Amino acid sequence: DVKVTQSSRYLVKRTGEKVFLECVQDMDHENMFWYRQDPGLGLRLIYFSYDVKMKEKGDIPEGYSVSREKKERFSLILESASTNQTSMYLCASRSTGVYSDTGELFFGEGSRLTVL
Amino acid sequence: RKEVEQDPGPFNVPEGATVAFNCTYSNSASQSFFWYRQDCRKEPKLLMSVYSSGNEDGRFTAQLNRASQYISLLIRDSKLSDSATYLCVVTLNNAGNMLTFGGGTRLMVKP
Repeated sequence: DVKVTQSSRYLVKRTGEKVFLECVQDMDHENMFWYRQDPGLGLRLIYFSYDVKMKEKGDIPEGYSVSREKKERFSLILESASTNQTSMYLCASRSTGVYSDTGELFFGEGSRLTVL
Repeated sequence: RKEVEQDPGPFNVPEGATVAFNCTYSNSASQSFFWYRQDCRKEPKLLMSVYSSGNEDGRFTAQLNRASQYISLLIRDSKLSDSATYLCVVTLNNAGNMLTFGGGTRLMVKP
């Protein structure tokens, strides 16, 4: 059974704190993604990675950074958390391959972050 | 204008009803299309891909209209368990890393 695991389901942090959100997948997928989901705004892409040590900015990268040191792990870092980063954060992974690409993204259960 | 737009709903329907959602996309170069389902407080999961010729999976039918740039999802004989938010997803390239999500349409099926 495929699995994407996010390290924390619920976090409460204070403004200015550094926040690490970790994501691990066991499917040997090349692509990994970090999204945030907010009511009325849907899912918005923060960063994605298509290989180890490779990263690309998504639609809303400001205030975030990422790290992909190993294929299975993709971390999202908030260097200095702010209240407008209160959100649900979803990690996802996806296989690439022109002939086998079903388009399926596998999501983790999400990390609900509250910044006070 | 958003790249991928959906009516947020909610669509309130009785059990057994047929319900349809549309999703419009703005980029005519869009390559692939999908419907995801998201239950309350859960992660999204793939419901079905959308093929050019249309495709069916049990009570669910997906269609693509490239000329008018929309995809649709039809659910027949609605069940209480169909209550969820339905997200359409559009990709811009075959690498699959340019995915755009719609805001989702919420469906509530009532007894």
